[in-house]
Amino acid sequence: EAGVAQSPRYKIIEKRQSVAFWCNPISGHATLYWYQQILGQGPKLLIQFQNNGVVDDSQLPKDRFSAERLKGVDSTLKIQPAKLEDSAVYLCASSLGNANEKLFFGSGTQLSVL
Amino acid sequence: GESVGLHLPTLSVQEGDNSIINCAYSNSASDYFIWYKQESGKGPQFIIDIRSNMDKRQGQRVTVLLNKTVKHLSLQIAATQPGDSAVYFCAEKGSSNTGKLIFGQGTTLQVKP
Repeated sequence: EAGVAQSPRYKIIEKRQSVAFWCNPISGHATLYWYQQILGQGPKLLIQFQNNGVVDDSQLPKDRFSAERLKGVDSTLKIQPAKLEDSAVYLCASSLGNANEKLFFGSGTQLSVL
Repeated sequence: GESVGLHLPTLSVQEGDNSIINCAYSNSASDYFIWYKQESGKGPQFIIDIRSNMDKRQGQRVTVLLNKTVKHLSLQIAATQPGDSAVYFCAEKGSSNTGKLIFGQGTTLQVKP
């Protein structure tokens, strides 16, 4: 079974530029999550989708971050404009359902903002 | 508020010894806990989970213990191997029904040959 796919693997941008990350969850997984992991810390939830609807985006900095999952499968996370403090690994995870707690993670996109 | 924390940032053990990684949580209403292993450059990988109606669960070489009285969770790894070297995170499911996991800061396990 294929795992959660993410791209790109690495991204380096300058502050105030924009960047987008892509995620393809495990086939059949209805719930998709984007987590931000700053170096030396545990992952922090940014947004959770159930199919193509947003379940929780309470910790998403909406003035600069946006995410969509239009067809309920793939998802993109965008940052515009980026700040230095956005440097982190952005992890995508998926699970079977909304209350199914076991999350499967992708390898993440490592973002460096200079 | 909800928070999950780990007692030690780094744990160093000899190959073949048993490892114990500890975690404290603050939300007494949490009903599900999970341990993840994260190797350098990779995403977190599921190890083992436990629900609040249990106090112990065993997997292959791993055991999770849950003490709800003191809100403490531990991961025991038997016969630790070099491949076990990684950062270990505990996570708790918050009191909502959304499946949202709250992660602790992580403990780095170093296995000496």
